Amino acid sequence: QQPVQSPQAVILREGEDAVINCSSSKALYSVHWYRQKHGEAPVFLMILLKGGEQKGHEKISASFNEKKQQSSLYLTASQLSYSGTYFCGTVTGANNLFFGTGTRLTVIP
Amino acid sequence: EAQVTQNPRYLITVTGKKLTVTCSQNMNHEYMSWYRQDPGLGLRQIYYSMNVEVTDKGDVPEGYKVSRKEKRNFPLILESPSPNQTSLYFCASRRQTSGKAGEQYFGPGTRLTVT
Repeated sequence: QQPVQSPQAVILREGEDAVINCSSSKALYSVHWYRQKHGEAPVFLMILLKGGEQKGHEKISASFNEKKQQSSLYLTASQLSYSGTYFCGTVTGANNLFFGTGTRLTVIP
Repeated sequence: EAQVTQNPRYLITVTGKKLTVTCSQNMNHEYMSWYRQDPGLGLRQIYYSMNVEVTDKGDVPEGYKVSRKEKRNFPLILESPSPNQTSLYFCASRRQTSGKAGEQYFGPGTRLTVT
């Protein structure tokens, strides 16, 4: 029941933008996004609920298309601190949260 | 301070020697869960619990047991560890009300090596 994330890895220069996609084969109630720094626990970024909403968090925002069962995370004007592995988590009817395999983002000067 | 704690943080053990990894949260969360993280496989759920005395299997439950006797604690038990259970383990908790899953908090992780 793991959602599928793409790309698996991306390298950016500071100031560049990136999009990380997350898709599920099941109907979704909500989508969660987390970021994990190397050697640390994942940290919550945002939740998107049914209704096709878009949310923002500093220069990081996300959208949720419930009809397509997809979500995208947008990172604009990337900073070195954005480096890490990003996970989407999807919640289906069972109210359980399943995580994707992650997208490793590296921002270089 | 709101937190999820896990112990031990690092553990090296031998095949077949029973072990328990403890997890505790101080946020009165209904939902708790265990994940294992392996390179390239992301976070895979082992077991989860919607509330006290309510537990269920996740995607990779084989070789693991859990219990939820108190709301704050959710220990992970490996009755007979094997080398393929060498991994990084995370405990997590969140509020679960009216069918809505809230922000999930993760513990610091337990790195387990089974030789």
